[in-house]
Amino acid sequence: KAGVTQTPRYLIKTRGQQVTLSCSPISGHRSVSWYQQTPGQGLQFLFEYFSETQRNKGNFPGRFSGRQFSNSRSEMNVSTLELGDSALYLCASSLSLAGDRDTQYFGPGTRLTVL
Amino acid sequence: AQSVSQHNHHVILSEAASLELGCNYSYGGTVNLFWYVQYPGQHLQLLLKYFSGDPLVKGIKGFEAEFIKSKFSFNLRKPSVQWSDTAEYFCAVNGRSSASKIIFGSGTRLSIRP
Repeated sequence: KAGVTQTPRYLIKTRGQQVTLSCSPISGHRSVSWYQQTPGQGLQFLFEYFSETQRNKGNFPGRFSGRQFSNSRSEMNVSTLELGDSALYLCASSLSLAGDRDTQYFGPGTRLTVL
Repeated sequence: AQSVSQHNHHVILSEAASLELGCNYSYGGTVNLFWYVQYPGQHLQLLLKYFSGDPLVKGIKGFEAEFIKSKFSFNLRKPSVQWSDTAEYFCAVNGRSSASKIIFGSGTRLSIRP
């Protein structure tokens, strides 16, 4: 079974631009969660989608948004990029919601650099 | 406030040494607990998890962790480390509801001297 895939793997943007990251979950998984990983803040939860609905949200500004499609693929969008948005963005999928007893499987991440 | 503390930021050991990485959490209600590992250049992957039952949990690659509810701890152990255990280790916790958020610790970098 193929793992979680994320595209693109690397991205360089400038301040003020916007960016869209994509995540394809493991086949059959309906939950997709997004995380931001930085050396200073570690892994921080962004949001979780299940059956095309956002079920949970972390403490990030409204510039960070996402959506999930009927095939469970998910996109994350960051508008008006700031230097501090430079990070590794990780996607994780699971069969059901994170609060249930399912394991989350992580993708390789998208490394975003904002100049 | 919900939080996970990993007090050791960087641990350096020689091969065959015993390992214990500390994890303490603050989270209301009943919790699920996890240890994840990120090997250099690889994805974050699950080492082990605790949901209920026996508080001593065994995971992959000879790792185990013990949930001590009274101490809000979930320490990771391995009796004899190998050079291939060099990685970053993350403790995480979430609650038992669908609205719960998973909280990760800041990670512990483990370096093994061959």
